[in-house]
Amino acid sequence: NAGVTQTPKFQVLKTGQSMTLQCAQDMNHEYMSWYRQDPGMGLRLIHYSVGAGITDQGEVPNGYNVSRSTTEDFPLRLLSAAPSQTSVYFCASSYQDTYGYTFGSGTRLTVV
Amino acid sequence: GENVEQHPSTLSVQEGDSAVIKCTYSDSASNYFPWYKQELGKGPQLIIDIRSNVGEKKDQRIAVTLNKTAKHFSLHITETQPEDSAVYFCAASKGRFGAGTRLTVKP
Repeated sequence: NAGVTQTPKFQVLKTGQSMTLQCAQDMNHEYMSWYRQDPGMGLRLIHYSVGAGITDQGEVPNGYNVSRSTTEDFPLRLLSAAPSQTSVYFCASSYQDTYGYTFGSGTRLTVV
Repeated sequence: GENVEQHPSTLSVQEGDSAVIKCTYSDSASNYFPWYKQELGKGPQLIIDIRSNVGEKKDQRIAVTLNKTAKHFSLHITETQPEDSAVYFCAASKGRFGAGTRLTVKP
């Protein structure tokens, strides 16, 4: 049972480039979400999904897109990377929002 | 939207002492309050949670208390051990997290 798998683990982008952070879970969880973690600011919610075909914005959605075509996958797209998007990104999944989350191991992104 | 505040930001205790981390929330509709532990280089891991119909919950050396009237909840770790050293996050409903507490347990 792999849990939540995030790829890549590390990535360096140039300003203006685009990329997709992958997230997959094998627990048949309906709820999935993306967070960014910056020093001293905890975990901030970017986007979330309560099920396939349904997505919504979190606290800091600007510059990011998501889609949820299957229950298992929830990719996060950076449209035009900016240095302010340098962060560690975590994907999480859960049975529902009001149950504990299982987190992936994170993607460390640097935008230069 | 929901706002979760967490204190202190850093906490240092001697091995065997107790540690207490406190959080407040703003949305009175919140009804689920989990706590996560994050070790260096890893994702957060759920350690304990509490729902709004319960005032206290214990799991071995860890306990969580909830005061819905005051909108605050706390994590209590007793008999701390060096392996308890980590960053701890509280959270409320709608996926809102506190800023984290770095706990250091000195041997």
